Amino acid sequence: KNEVEQSPQNLTAQEGEFITINCSYSVGISALHWLQQHPGGGIVSLFMLSSGKKKHGRLIATINIQEKHSSLHITASHPRDSAVYICAVRRPSNFGNEKLTFGTGTRLTIIP
Amino acid sequence: NAGVTQTPKFQVLKTGQSMTLQCAQDMNHNSMYWYRQDPGMGLRLIYYSASEGTTDKGEVPNGYNVSRLNKREFSLRLESAAPSQTSVYFCASSDRGGRTDTQYFGPGTRLTVL
Repeated sequence: KNEVEQSPQNLTAQEGEFITINCSYSVGISALHWLQQHPGGGIVSLFMLSSGKKKHGRLIATINIQEKHSSLHITASHPRDSAVYICAVRRPSNFGNEKLTFGTGTRLTIIP
Repeated sequence: NAGVTQTPKFQVLKTGQSMTLQCAQDMNHNSMYWYRQDPGMGLRLIYYSASEGTTDKGEVPNGYNVSRLNKREFSLRLESAAPSQTSVYFCASSDRGGRTDTQYFGPGTRLTVL
């Protein structure tokens, strides 16, 4: 079983819909990251969370440490939101290096 | 600032050939990483470097070597390429110890080994 599981693997929605992507993990973490991979392949970081909730524009990320679960929400979705969304957990190490373990991603397609 | 740059963007090798993937960052970051991305799998760490002069193995280091030439540059070498190394390779950097610890990714190198 992967240490980081995302659901759904693929999601197609109409423009304007509210989107939720889920991430569950099975290991101890110090933080959780959400990243976006554009159709051209570039990867950008969206959020880093260690507790609670963060909001940036139409994107909202939440984490429940006790339940080992995080969600990424997109409000008023737009075709330009079409991308692969990747969850990654940061596992602390003895050497102070910040390793990330990645989920396999959720491919989101927003239809106009 | 260019951020994280990688060269080349595309490469085709024959089995047994060698090559070096170059990565540079201009954000004065301490930590640098090499990942590979394969269909149906998450990004996997090949090697990382916590600071200039130090490197350590990640999840999938076999068949690869790295050099942290200076604070800016972190190269990945395939000594004898194999078809199993066909993948997209990403370099990333982060400010170790920084509050946000965001990783910044390069554009990727698409490598095909025939």
